[in-house]
Amino acid sequence: DAGVTQSPTHLIKTRGQHVTLRCSPISGHKSVSWYQQVLGQGPQFIFQYYEKEERGRGNFPDRFSARQFPNYSSELNVNALLLGDSALYLCASSPRNTEAFFGQGTRLTVV
Amino acid sequence: EDQVTQSPEALRLQEGESSSLNCSYTVSGLRGLFWYRQDPGKGPEFLFTLYSAGEEKEKERLKATLTKKESFLHITAPKPEDSATYLCAVESAGANNLFFGTGTRLTVIP
Repeated sequence: DAGVTQSPTHLIKTRGQHVTLRCSPISGHKSVSWYQQVLGQGPQFIFQYYEKEERGRGNFPDRFSARQFPNYSSELNVNALLLGDSALYLCASSPRNTEAFFGQGTRLTVV
Repeated sequence: EDQVTQSPEALRLQEGESSSLNCSYTVSGLRGLFWYRQDPGKGPEFLFTLYSAGEEKEKERLKATLTKKESFLHITAPKPEDSATYLCAVESAGANNLFFGTGTRLTVIP
């Protein structure tokens, strides 16, 4: 079975630009969460979606937004990129509120 | 506010030298405590979920235990391939997310 897939794997953007990151959950999983991981830190929660509805939001500015599609895939959008947005962005899926299984992440570098 | 503190920050072991990693937590109503392994540049790999004090789970050389205040990840006779960062996370009642510690970076020397 395919695990959680994220695209792209690496991305370089300029300050002020916007970015869209994509995630396909494990087949049958209806919950998708997004996390940001800065080097040397643990992942920090950004959003959770379940059945296409937002179920949780972390302490991130409104520049961050997300959505979930009918096929349960998800997008994370970040506008007006700052240097501090450089991080590994992780997507996790779970059947419901159970163990979360992570993808390999998207490494975003803002220059 | 949820808090998760992992210790030590880094640990170097000789191959075969058993040890334990600690995860202390403060949470309002623990729904679950999770252990993950993370290799450099990769996403976290799920290891264990513990739900109540006294619970233990094992997988190969790893054993996770849980009390009301902390969890231990015991590594028995580690091998170099066990080298990774081990992350602990909690999910509190009413939350829909994991709250992570900063991890323990384990290096096992041949």
